[in-house]
Amino acid sequence: EAQVTQNPRYLITVTGKKLTVTCSQNMNHEYMSWYRQDPGLGLRQIYYSMNVEVTDKGDVPEGYKVSRKEKRNFPLILESPSPNQTSLYFCASSPGTSGRARQETQYFGPGTRLLVL
Amino acid sequence: GNSVTQMEGPVTLSEEAFLTINCTYTATGYPSLFWYVQYPGEGLQLLLKATKADDKGSNKGFEATYRKETTSFHLEKGSVQVSDSAVYFCALGGTSYGKLTFGQGTILTVHP
Repeated sequence: EAQVTQNPRYLITVTGKKLTVTCSQNMNHEYMSWYRQDPGLGLRQIYYSMNVEVTDKGDVPEGYKVSRKEKRNFPLILESPSPNQTSLYFCASSPGTSGRARQETQYFGPGTRLLVL
Repeated sequence: GNSVTQMEGPVTLSEEAFLTINCTYTATGYPSLFWYVQYPGEGLQLLLKATKADDKGSNKGFEATYRKETTSFHLEKGSVQVSDSAVYFCALGGTSYGKLTFGQGTILTVHP
């Protein structure tokens, strides 16, 4: 089954304790992205990756890191989490076909709900 | 920059009522427009999309028409069901690397 998986689904942590949220897709997609969802704000892009070893900042990258060492995986790293990073996080992927990226459907993972105390 | 504005929610309807959720956008160039739906406890999934002006996207009884002259992409359904209860997001795809710009989301609740 074609899908985007995320782990963990729920996480409670304390300020300053490093954490990683994993994301994996089995559709051989070039493009992957992380979003955070906050009430009244919709989803905002944190980081994106156009291919292996190619990553760039989205709209709200402060406090986050990413890496893309393999095509299928795109982990999100919070080196020193703070309470303002409490949110619902979504990973997404799309084929990344050259010249058609703006038309492509993005496929979302189930979400990771993070609470930072 | 690009932006998307959705009507304020939440929206509460009775089963079989007519649904409209308004969406307007600001963008440069020729964006694609999307409606994504989020059912309780799940991730977002594509509901419908339109990639150029005057295109109509449709799926599961939902429709939306890409209106460049009014910069709008309103979502409609003629007869909603309880199973349509979800959060609906209007989104714009306007850059070469496929970033989506989302509206704030509209919560729809349908009562029997």
